[in-house]
Amino acid sequence: SYVLTQPPSVSVAPGQTARITCGGNNIGSKSVHWYQQKPGQAPVLVVYDDSDRPSGIPERFSGSNSGNTATLTISRVEAGDEADYYCQVWDSSIYVVFGGGTKLTVL
Amino acid sequence: QVQLQESGPGLVKPSQTLSLTCTVSGGSISSGSYYWSWIRQPAGKGLEWIGRIYTSGSTNYNPSLKSRVTISVDTSKNQFSLKLSSVTAADTAVYYCARAGGGTAMVDYWGQGTLVTVSS
Repeated sequence: SYVLTQPPSVSVAPGQTARITCGGNNIGSKSVHWYQQKPGQAPVLVVYDDSDRPSGIPERFSGSNSGNTATLTISRVEAGDEADYYCQVWDSSIYVVFGGGTKLTVL
Repeated sequence: QVQLQESGPGLVKPSQTLSLTCTVSGGSISSGSYYWSWIRQPAGKGLEWIGRIYTSGSTNYNPSLKSRVTISVDTSKNQFSLKLSSVTAADTAVYYCARAGGGTAMVDYWGQGTLVTVSS
């Protein structure tokens, strides 16, 4: 099976840059999607296919993917960005895989 | 704007079958190249993909749940459904229905989620 590894938590001060990683074997060969989930709400797609943003998602959200690590970068972090973030890939053997999630805390 | 809404019992007894339906509005379930999916999330835990169905009826399931899961589609009602058999307390979770598009299965629309508790 294919495993995606995320840090349980990341903390950042307002206005700074948050980087959330997603590790997986040769993940750079796959397309990675990122979701934001606030308490009591359904997840929202914030980055797809490594680095594309759906309409309505601020340019502050960006993504990259290479080697064994994909990264979600949130620039100029705001209090409203505090949430859980999940990475996801499609794999031919298990189809859809989610990372364990990272709680972003804005200090 | 596509909207998805889950419906079904919020309480299921152990060993019984969990049944949920997702009603899609704002677009035809038959149009486009989309997979209609079920994803669940136990309280305080991460997301777990359950499975998906294409409008042709072809399905893919999470190998860890495959023996207990059936997903079906009713295009006449613009709905798709989930059945999970032989449930235990470990199946207690918020269940989301969702639309996944593209060859890389990005989930672009989610239902609001429905809590299903397995308890006697």
